[in-house]
Amino acid sequence: GENVEQHPSTLSVQEGDSAVIKCTYSDSASNYFPWYKQELGKGPQLIIDIRSNVGEKKDQRIAVTLNKTAKHFSLHITETQPEDSAVYFCAASSRGSTLGRLYFGRGTQLTVWP
Amino acid sequence: DAGITQSPRYKITETGRQVTLMCHQTWSHSYMFWYRQDLGHGLRLIYYSAAADITDKGEVPDGYVVSRSKTENFPLTLESATRSQTSVYFCAITSVGTDTQYFGPGTRLTVL
Repeated sequence: GENVEQHPSTLSVQEGDSAVIKCTYSDSASNYFPWYKQELGKGPQLIIDIRSNVGEKKDQRIAVTLNKTAKHFSLHITETQPEDSAVYFCAASSRGSTLGRLYFGRGTQLTVWP
Repeated sequence: DAGITQSPRYKITETGRQVTLMCHQTWSHSYMFWYRQDLGHGLRLIYYSAAADITDKGEVPDGYVVSRSKTENFPLTLESATRSQTSVYFCAITSVGTDTQYFGPGTRLTVL
């Protein structure tokens, strides 16, 4: 099956700086790559996603890039704020796989210091 | 709002007891998933279901049983709880034909 690696496991940045989280995947058939944010005591929430026919997608301060050749994708958060502090998960799935099953990375704990 | 509820939100039980965690959703046609979340492991898939009476194993199914007699409910049962099953359990749903997966609020289970 698919294997998703995520780095770094922890990331600390100063408020206003940028944060980048990187993920690699193993299955070249994967074509959907969502990112989830999980705040303490809550379930993961989808914040942005990208499909394999797109190289980059942006939503305000959040952007995701995808390099299909290298099989990696990244989350970029600009002008970080303390409320961005959370655990972030990347995931991958293949439309051809059963039920669009997601394979998750192990998560990145992002801390934004004021 | 995907309308996913999980109950109970917190549960403490003892080794060897049977425990059932409930997931309820208000979408009539959806795929449903159970994950466990442990530090250092991220989210791991336990079981999933395409429809009523159709279920399949995920990555870590041992020690768990699921059923889906009604499309809106997807209970997860630990037939004989073990300490290694102490975890946070999340239910998730995906609408048929889409990729987006929505998560419930989770159940924190402690097995003593």
